Amino acid sequence: EAGVVQSPRYKIIEKKQPVAFWCNPISGHNTLYWYRQNLGQGPELLIRYENEEAVDDSQLPKDRFSAERLKGVDSTLKIQPAELGDSAVYLCASSAVVVGTEAFFGQGTRLTVV
Amino acid sequence: DAKTTQPTSMDCAEGRAANLPCNHSTISGNEYVYWYRQIHSQGPQYIIHGLKNNETNEMASLIITEDRKSSTLILPHATLRDTAVYYCIVRFQGGSEKLVFGKGTKLTVNP
Repeated sequence: EAGVVQSPRYKIIEKKQPVAFWCNPISGHNTLYWYRQNLGQGPELLIRYENEEAVDDSQLPKDRFSAERLKGVDSTLKIQPAELGDSAVYLCASSAVVVGTEAFFGQGTRLTVV
Repeated sequence: DAKTTQPTSMDCAEGRAANLPCNHSTISGNEYVYWYRQIHSQGPQYIIHGLKNNETNEMASLIITEDRKSSTLILPHATLRDTAVYYCIVRFQGGSEKLVFGKGTKLTVNP
């Protein structure tokens, strides 16, 4: 079974430029998460989807970040414009809506803003 | 904020058991204890979880105290590939609830 797939694996952009990350969750997983991980820290949730609906986006900086999950499957996270402080690893995870199940993470996208 | 407390770092000799402690004194009755690990440059990987009883799988064992205020993850025969950051997380039983990560424990397995 394929795991959570993210692309690109690495991205280097200049500040003020836009950038987008893509995530394909595990088939059948209704819940999708985007996390951001700064160097030396644990991942922090940006947004959580239940199917197509964003049910928790309280930590998403909405002035520059946006996300969508069309048809309740793939998801895209966008930053526009990027700032130097956005340099981090962006992780996507998915899980099934079943009691006590675990979330599975992708490899992440390492973003460097110069 | 994370609801768990873990040591910042630990060392273990290859082939020996690695015992990673976690305090979660404010855990509620319907919260599970989850353990994930993150090897360098990879996404977090699920290890094991439990509610009350001790659990064992092919990767590790989880020992939860009777009062559920602390737990220990045991890697019975640590290898160099077990070097990683280990996160202890408490999470409501709903499968879609978010994971709140702390800084975890950096485990280094030495030859």
